[in-house]
Amino acid sequence: GAVVSQHPSRVICKSGTSVKIECRSLDFQATTMFWYRQFPKQSLMLMATSNEGSKATYEQGVEKDKFLINHASLTLSTLTVTSAHPEDSSFYICSASRGGGGAKNIQYFGAGTRLSVL
Amino acid sequence: KQEVTQIPAALSVPEGENLVLNCSFTDSAIYNLQWFRQDPGKGLTSLLLIQSSQREQTSGRLNASLDKSSGRSTLYIAASQPGDSATYLCAVHTSGTYKYIFGTGTRLKVLA
Repeated sequence: GAVVSQHPSRVICKSGTSVKIECRSLDFQATTMFWYRQFPKQSLMLMATSNEGSKATYEQGVEKDKFLINHASLTLSTLTVTSAHPEDSSFYICSASRGGGGAKNIQYFGAGTRLSVL
Repeated sequence: KQEVTQIPAALSVPEGENLVLNCSFTDSAIYNLQWFRQDPGKGLTSLLLIQSSQREQTSGRLNASLDKSSGRSTLYIAASQPGDSATYLCAVHTSGTYKYIFGTGTRLKVLA
């Protein structure tokens, strides 16, 4: 159990276009979903946290108007990179948690999406 | 502020060798710790998760241990194979927070 699916696994787009990445919890309801980003030779860093039906909470330095997050259901969250530019090229990964507080807040990770903006 | 360090940054070993990857963290108040594998240009695969109350977890040739008091975890890989070549990441979920803090990883190359 606790499988998180992320789609697409890889995307290449032109500068100025928008890209949507989906994150689905396949066999559990995810009260909270998280989006992380990894730049080359750096560790993964949290971008934002989203709770189902609420606005996402963004980490410091992450532009909320550029990275639109929607968590419309307990099994799906989407990240849209708007007007993507080459500097947005990165590895984006989502995770999902059942919630419940404390040690129950295990995050199950998707495999990630590699975005390349030309 | 939680900081996660992985040593060594890179490691090359001949096939068949047993090896240990290290992860240290500065705040011992954690919910759990996960070890991941990341293949070049590809996604993340969760290998093992250790809850704060556990000392170790095993899956096949992999064994992860956790010493919370000293802020350390190790990933032991037995009888390494070329297919084990990848970057191994550890990530710590600190108590009272909602995010995992990742280390920068250990790049492992197992030579045939």
